[in-house]
Amino acid sequence: GENVEQHPSTLSVQEGDSAVIKCTYSDSASNYFPWYKQELGKRPQLIIDIRSNVGEKKDQRIAVTLNKTAKHFSLHITETQPEDSAVYFCAASRGFKTIFGAGTRLFVKA
Amino acid sequence: GAVVSQHPSWVICKSGTSVKIECRSLDFQATTMFWYRQFPKQSLMLMATSNEGSKATYEQGVEKDKFLINHASLTLSTLTVTSAHPEDSSFYICSARAPASASTDTQYFGPGTRLTVL
Repeated sequence: GENVEQHPSTLSVQEGDSAVIKCTYSDSASNYFPWYKQELGKRPQLIIDIRSNVGEKKDQRIAVTLNKTAKHFSLHITETQPEDSAVYFCAASRGFKTIFGAGTRLFVKA
Repeated sequence: GAVVSQHPSWVICKSGTSVKIECRSLDFQATTMFWYRQFPKQSLMLMATSNEGSKATYEQGVEKDKFLINHASLTLSTLTVTSAHPEDSSFYICSARAPASASTDTQYFGPGTRLTVL
């Protein structure tokens, strides 16, 4: 069946450095790729998303890139801050079907 | 906008009892809601898709008679865990699609319900 692979599972960076999380998906019909941030015990919050007709999208310190040919998309966080520490989930969506990656636990050390 | 609430936020019950969890879209109508289950340090696993006015669509491996879903209105979906057992203990999260008028597939999540079965 369809799946989404996410790497790394854990990422530790120094405050101010950049963090990159990568995902690959198997369903070539996927056309919507959201990224969620989840703090401990809280709901996932949408932080950025991208559609299949766009290769890159940026929102302040956060950017997402998409390579449809390779079925690969990435989240880039620049100038990381301690409050960026959380679990990040990528997802690939087609219609009503959304498949989530396993998550990346990001630690930003002050 | 696009706020989703969930009730209760946590519940502890005895083995064999049933627990009902409510998911509401507060400021928009949601014809489709989703129920997820999340184990500690794991990802969101879709259990079922809840459709207003019709039967829910369950994912493979999810027992429909154990996890009863009712989407009685455009703002409310309920998940009832019947005859709960300790292995049902988990974090249950619902989500709703963005309003139909929006050109997006974005899902907005509820705050989750932590179920502990003793």
